[in-house]
Amino acid sequence: DQQVKQNSPSLSVQEGRISILNCDYTNSMFDYFLWYKKYPAEGPTFLISISSIKDKNEDGRFTVFLNKSAKHLSLHIVPSQPGDSAVYFCAATSGGSNYKLTFGKGTLLTVNP
Amino acid sequence: DAGVIQSPRHEVTEMGQEVTLRCKPISGHNSLFWYRQTMMRGLELLIYFNNNVPIDDSGMPEDRFSAKMPNASFSTLKIQPSEPRDSAVYFCASSLSSNEQFFGPGTRLTVL
Repeated sequence: DQQVKQNSPSLSVQEGRISILNCDYTNSMFDYFLWYKKYPAEGPTFLISISSIKDKNEDGRFTVFLNKSAKHLSLHIVPSQPGDSAVYFCAATSGGSNYKLTFGKGTLLTVNP
Repeated sequence: DAGVIQSPRHEVTEMGQEVTLRCKPISGHNSLFWYRQTMMRGLELLIYFNNNVPIDDSGMPEDRFSAKMPNASFSTLKIQPSEPRDSAVYFCASSLSSNEQFFGPGTRLTVL
């Protein structure tokens, strides 16, 4: 059973517009969430994270929103740039085993010039 | 900082052969992780070491898989004997007591 789900395998947006990537989770014990970005032939790289005590975290063009009641989080990229084209993974962990990241299957974002 | 180093980057082998994947974590990191990525299952944690000691190997699929960390700067993941269903990208990651893990570039394994 997938505990972290990214239901959109792919997303295509125009340069300069907003990209919104979504993630749902089922395990109510998850209390820390991360987004990773992955380019082809490279490993995932950490992008941004959020603790369950917050509902928003911002870092430059990237903002993550957390809706605990809906068990939903989203990553907003504004404005989107062609260099943002990559696979984005949502990951979650719980305080009891904070090393164990459970990943979604990823969303391929394509930003068109 | 060189980041996490993995070797080889690509490995093609025949069913039944032994495969050894290697990882050098970031210097100073005390946690090391081996992951496997497949289309069907996505990124899965295979095993986690803390201070060179295996803490959680519940993700290791079966006895054909084994992992060692003889010192703080080196780890291996071995598959013996390999099977076609082991074909995947294997990632090594390291961290310093935090949720943020730093991944290597991965080893793409193909078992014919």
